Amino acid sequence: DGGITQSPKYLFRKEGQNVTLSCEQNLNHDAMYWYRQDPGQGLRLIYYSQIVNDFQKGDIAEGYSVSREKKESFPLTVTSAQKNPTAFYLCASSARQGPNQPQHFGDGTRLSIL
Amino acid sequence: ELKVEQNPLFLSMQEGKNYTIYCNYSTTSDRLYWYRQDPGKSLESLFVLLSNGAVKQEGRLMASLDTKARLSTLHITAAVHDLSATYFCAVDEGRIQGAQKLVFGQGTRLTINP
Repeated sequence: DGGITQSPKYLFRKEGQNVTLSCEQNLNHDAMYWYRQDPGQGLRLIYYSQIVNDFQKGDIAEGYSVSREKKESFPLTVTSAQKNPTAFYLCASSARQGPNQPQHFGDGTRLSIL
Repeated sequence: ELKVEQNPLFLSMQEGKNYTIYCNYSTTSDRLYWYRQDPGKSLESLFVLLSNGAVKQEGRLMASLDTKARLSTLHITAAVHDLSATYFCAVDEGRIQGAQKLVFGQGTRLTINP
């Protein structure tokens, strides 16, 4: 079955540490996205990528970085510059051909500070 | 800047009753998506609405879009406990080729009591 796999499910970050969240999809989608969700809130866009080797900042990119070296993979690094990283992080993907296909979401990674 | 507002944010209702969730947005768009999220879980796509007057129905849920009023509604008919979840609307800013730049509402937490 096609889908999006995020790992790990839970992650703990120490002060001053960078951590990387994995996102892999086998849906053959061109576009991929990273969102942050805080308790009781909607999703906010961190970064998105329309195609391999290209990505754009979303609304809250500060303190985060991404790469898109392969179509299937879009890892997110939460850097030490992100002072409030505790949140639920969701990766999504969508087909290039049009708005009639909704974004598909992974199961998320819950990040906490130690 | 596109803003998306849902109301109510919390809704507690009894089984068998009908109710409507409203999603207002601030700038022109004809691409609106409804998602469902169970506690601690990912987002599941419910409806894709792509034109003025669009109406989609699935079981006890019906969604509609009025692009002139910048309003979408999600109507629940004869609610059952299984529909308890948080419901999000998301509007596409529509400015990106090959990707969807979604702005999410805050979510409506729906609790259906026996």
